[in-house]
Amino acid sequence: DAGVIQSPRHEVTEMGQEVTLRCKPISGHDYLFWYRQTMMRGLELLIYFNNNVPIDDSGMPEDRFSAKMPNASFSTLKIQPSEPRDSAVYFCASSRRDSNTGELFFGEGSRLTVL
Amino acid sequence: AQTVTQSQPEMSVQEAETVTLSCTYDTSESDYYLFWYKQPPSRQMILVIRQEAYKQQNATENRFSVNFQKAAKSFSLKISDSQLGDAAMYFCAYLKDAGGTSYGKLTFGQGTILTVHP
Repeated sequence: DAGVIQSPRHEVTEMGQEVTLRCKPISGHDYLFWYRQTMMRGLELLIYFNNNVPIDDSGMPEDRFSAKMPNASFSTLKIQPSEPRDSAVYFCASSRRDSNTGELFFGEGSRLTVL
Repeated sequence: AQTVTQSQPEMSVQEAETVTLSCTYDTSESDYYLFWYKQPPSRQMILVIRQEAYKQQNATENRFSVNFQKAAKSFSLKISDSQLGDAAMYFCAYLKDAGGTSYGKLTFGQGTILTVHP
């Protein structure tokens, strides 16, 4: 079974540009999470979905960030406009609630550099 | 709020030797899960081992085992017979429970970089 798939793996953009990160969760998983990893702040939960519905977006830093999950197999995290402080690795993770293990399955991350 | 602390930014071990990574956490909950995740240079976070707080027995997965001290809120990872492939960043993580609105909201420690010397 394929794991969580994220794209792009690397993105370099200029300040002010729109950035869209994509994620395909593991088939059958009903939870999807977006995490951000930086040296200063470590791993932070940005937002998560249950059955495509956003449940908690309290970690989203500001209005420049938005996330959608139009169906069970696809989610996007958008930053508009991007700023240098958004440079980080963004991870998508998915899990299955009825597994009762609490385990999250992570993608390989998207490394974003905003110049 | 729950916090997870890894006091060792870096650790090193000789191949085939044993190393222990430390983790402490703060919570007022009685039911929760604890995890160790490994992040190799490829960046992907991989689950190493998990522990349910209600279980007294320490979890073991092959060469990886934990020392879970609930009263002390300590959760250390022991890697036996270390291999070069064990070199990675290791994160301790806490999950309040596996249900409700907090499901999946892992709180991570700062990470420990493990170097394995041949």
